Amino acid sequence: GAGVSQSPRYKVAKRGQDVALRCDPISGHVSLFWYQQALGQGPEFLTYFQNEAQLDKSGLPSDRFFAERPEGSVSTLKIQRTQQEDSAVYLCASSLGVGGLPSYNEQFFGPGTRLTVL
Amino acid sequence: KNQVEQSPQSLIILEGKNCTLQCNYTVSPFSNLRWYKQDTGRGPVSLTIMTFSENTKSNGRYTATLDADTKQSSLHITASQLSDSASYICVVSEDTGGFKTIFGAGTRLFVKA
Repeated sequence: GAGVSQSPRYKVAKRGQDVALRCDPISGHVSLFWYQQALGQGPEFLTYFQNEAQLDKSGLPSDRFFAERPEGSVSTLKIQRTQQEDSAVYLCASSLGVGGLPSYNEQFFGPGTRLTVL
Repeated sequence: KNQVEQSPQSLIILEGKNCTLQCNYTVSPFSNLRWYKQDTGRGPVSLTIMTFSENTKSNGRYTATLDADTKQSSLHITASQLSDSASYICVVSEDTGGFKTIFGAGTRLFVKA
C-alpha cells in the first residue's frame, strides 16, 4: 500500500484479555517502530525493529507487552492480561532505515489503534 | 535526561491569523528536528525537518526556525485555516547513529471561524 496501515483501528477489551495489534509498514522499509500515545500527550517509544530483529525494546512498560516482526515486514504488538492503564493509542511507524540523511530516517506513521480497556 | 518541551499547551486563534508555536529541547548530541502535524484520530505527518546547519525551513504556510545554540525551535503558521486545527508535535533525533527520537507533548491548535 501507499502508507502504513494498522488494524484494528479501534479495540475494546475487558481487563485481563489478551489483544493483538497489527502493523503493515511501507513496502521496503527496513525500520519499524511502535509507540504508545496517551490522550493529550506525544507518542512514547515502545520498541524498534530492523528487519526481523528487535534491536530495542526498552520502552515496553512490562513483560505483558510483546512485539514481533518474524519476516521483516508485518509486525504485531501483543498485550497480555490487559489493564486499564494500557488504554491508549498505539502508533506504528516505518522508515527506510536509521541514521544517515534525514530523508532516509524519516518515520511515516500509521493511523494508530485506539485501545480501550474496560 | 533528553527532553523536548513545547509551548503553549493549547492555542485558540481566529481563521486568517498567524501564530507561533515553541519548542525547547535538551537532546544531545543533536541530529535533526522535525515538526509533525497530527489530526485527531490520525497518525503524525511530517511538516518540516531541519539539521544542525539549517536555521529555517518552509513548507507552504508553515515556517520552522531552529537555533541550535539556544536549542530552540519555532513553527510559524501564516494565514491560518480551519484545517490547521490539529496537534503540532516537535520531535528531536539524537545523533548516535541510531534511531532515538524524543517527542514533545504537542501544542493543540484550534482555529475558529
